[in-house]
Amino acid sequence: AQSVAQPEDQVNVAEGNPLTVKCTYSVSGNPYLFWYVQYPNRGLQFLLKYITGDNLVKGSYGFEAEFNKSQTSFHLKKPSALVSDSALYFCAVRDIDGTAGNKLTFGGGTRVLVKP
Amino acid sequence: EAGVAQSPRYKIIEKRQSVAFWCNPISGHATLYWYQQILGQGPKLLIQFQNNGVVDDSQLPKDRFSAERLKGVDSTLKIQPAKLEDSAVYLCASSLGPSGANVLTFGAGSRLTVL
Repeated sequence: AQSVAQPEDQVNVAEGNPLTVKCTYSVSGNPYLFWYVQYPNRGLQFLLKYITGDNLVKGSYGFEAEFNKSQTSFHLKKPSALVSDSALYFCAVRDIDGTAGNKLTFGGGTRVLVKP
Repeated sequence: EAGVAQSPRYKIIEKRQSVAFWCNPISGHATLYWYQQILGQGPKLLIQFQNNGVVDDSQLPKDRFSAERLKGVDSTLKIQPAKLEDSAVYLCASSLGPSGANVLTFGAGSRLTVL
């Protein structure tokens, strides 16, 4: 079965400092990986995805993520965090060759708090 | 383009009552999903439709939950009878098709409180 782990419930960072949100995954086949962000009382918004090709993926709002197959990780990064980046971040995976079909499985989420 | 529309935004009911949620996906999106997001957890897929057919409902509690997507556009998710543990946000999402690379676009969600 496919799964996603986000080991940190919350990440605190000062504005202007680098931000990293960790994600590891488990699939039986090859993964498609996604990051979504959720602001209060709103639905999830797509940030970026890894399908194939370059392991470094760039997305919306200055975010990027690096796919590491050997470590089965897909950490989200931003070089300089803004207070407005404070939100709930979700990593998600699809196991495109496994038995889960096209099901998109989400991690438990990481709350990011950026302090001025 | 217009986003995914959901209603109602908030609903409070007592246990054993019934409730229905409505979703209107982005125009032209063939695939529609219902997710359940319990407070403090990530979204969990309840059911996935491709046009008006069910692709995956393996995690739908079929003794109390039902969903339909008539005519392959709007969808309704019903809970009857509701239990306390059904308190959650119910998220509807849509995508162009079932391809694994497609991005899901989510609605704002319907928050259910069961007392």
